[in-house]
Amino acid sequence: AQRVTQPEKLLSVFKGAPVELKCNYSYSGSPELFWYVQYSRQRLQLLLRHISRESIKGFTADLNKGETSFHLKKPFAQEEDSAMYYCALSGDQGAQKLVFGQGTRLTINP
Amino acid sequence: EPEVTQTPSHQVTQMGQEVILRCVPISNHLYFYWYRQILGQKVEFLVSFYNNEISEKSEIFDDQFSVERPDGSNFTLKIRSTKLEDSAMYFCASSEVPYGPYEQYFGPGTRLTVT
Repeated sequence: AQRVTQPEKLLSVFKGAPVELKCNYSYSGSPELFWYVQYSRQRLQLLLRHISRESIKGFTADLNKGETSFHLKKPFAQEEDSAMYYCALSGDQGAQKLVFGQGTRLTINP
Repeated sequence: EPEVTQTPSHQVTQMGQEVILRCVPISNHLYFYWYRQILGQKVEFLVSFYNNEISEKSEIFDDQFSVERPDGSNFTLKIRSTKLEDSAMYFCASSEVPYGPYEQYFGPGTRLTVT
């Protein structure tokens, strides 16, 4: 079974502080991992995917297969990072649904 | 930049009534999805659709649900006889390719309230 766990529903940090949003997954095959973000009154949009190994808006995420984790990190938080963040997984067989975690609401305090 | 659109943004219906939620995927995309999010819960997959047939459906997607691509642009989700527990935000998504690290593009959602 595919499962994504985001242990923190809420996370609050001060501007300029480092941010880490945790994501753990369960999947027997080779998963594709994503972080989606939803800013206030906007639609869900892709932030980054593990295969790209890119940094978007200063965020990075590394897939750790040993720990089955895909934590999202940013060294210096900005107020505009306040949003809902969802970790999602798709499998490696057929047309792929996304399995989402519960989501973490990140609030950056000035 | 092309976007997925959904109508209506908010639908209120009485229990037992039929409701149709509409989506216009991005024009060159071939794979379509419906997800829902009950308030306070996670986004859940309902169904995926390709080449005019369902590719995969979840346990939530029972006989009360159906999907259709009635023309070249619209993709609809019908709930035949709504229940209170169908109240949720329904998201449509589309992608060019269904597998691998390809992005699914989401619509803004339709909030369905069943009274």
